[in-house]
Amino acid sequence: GNSVTQMEGPVTLSEEAFLTINCTYTATGYPSLFWYVQYPGEGLQLLLKATKADDKGSNKGFEATYRKETTSFHLEKGSVQVSDSAVYFCALSDRGDDKIIFGKGTRLHILP
Amino acid sequence: EAGVAQSPRYKIIEKRQSVAFWCNPISGHATLYWYQQILGQGPKLLIQFQNNGVVDDSQLPKDRFSAERLKGVDSTLKIQPAKLEDSAVYLCASSLRGGLGNTIYFGEGSWLTVV
Repeated sequence: GNSVTQMEGPVTLSEEAFLTINCTYTATGYPSLFWYVQYPGEGLQLLLKATKADDKGSNKGFEATYRKETTSFHLEKGSVQVSDSAVYFCALSDRGDDKIIFGKGTRLHILP
Repeated sequence: EAGVAQSPRYKIIEKRQSVAFWCNPISGHATLYWYQQILGQGPKLLIQFQNNGVVDDSQLPKDRFSAERLKGVDSTLKIQPAKLEDSAVYLCASSLRGGLGNTIYFGEGSWLTVV
């Protein structure tokens, strides 16, 4: 079945550091890929998405590129801020089925 | 634009008791979802409605969980009787029409603790 695997946390970085959170997926079709973010005490928010191979999703300085050959959708940011501290979820939705399957989440702590 | 509204935000009950969560989706959104998020895990879909019909309830534990969306707008998720392992955040979400590529908006969640 379809699944998402993302790196375990917590990830702790200093402010202005470079961030990578790895995500790989398994899917039978051609899924859309997503990154969701959950700030403390808040609901899940869509951060970015990509719907086909080689697409790059971007938002708030975050980027992720849909790599079909490596079945990956790694999240990157060049310079993180304290306000980026949150839990990040990689997710997929298969063609013809909008049920979203989430990874387990990666908690990110940014130190000032 | 108002977001997805959920209540109550927090609930503590004893095992074998019952609990109900309410969700009001974004106005005009035809598709409504209930997800269960256990601590340390990603959200898992429990049930998906399209208007007032059920699209997918394959992961809903039907012996104790039930959900309805009678008028195709707001929805209620009920657990009866509750077990300790039901402690989780219950997330309601909605989207305009469902389908691939359609953006799903989540509420803040209802936090359930079963003791």
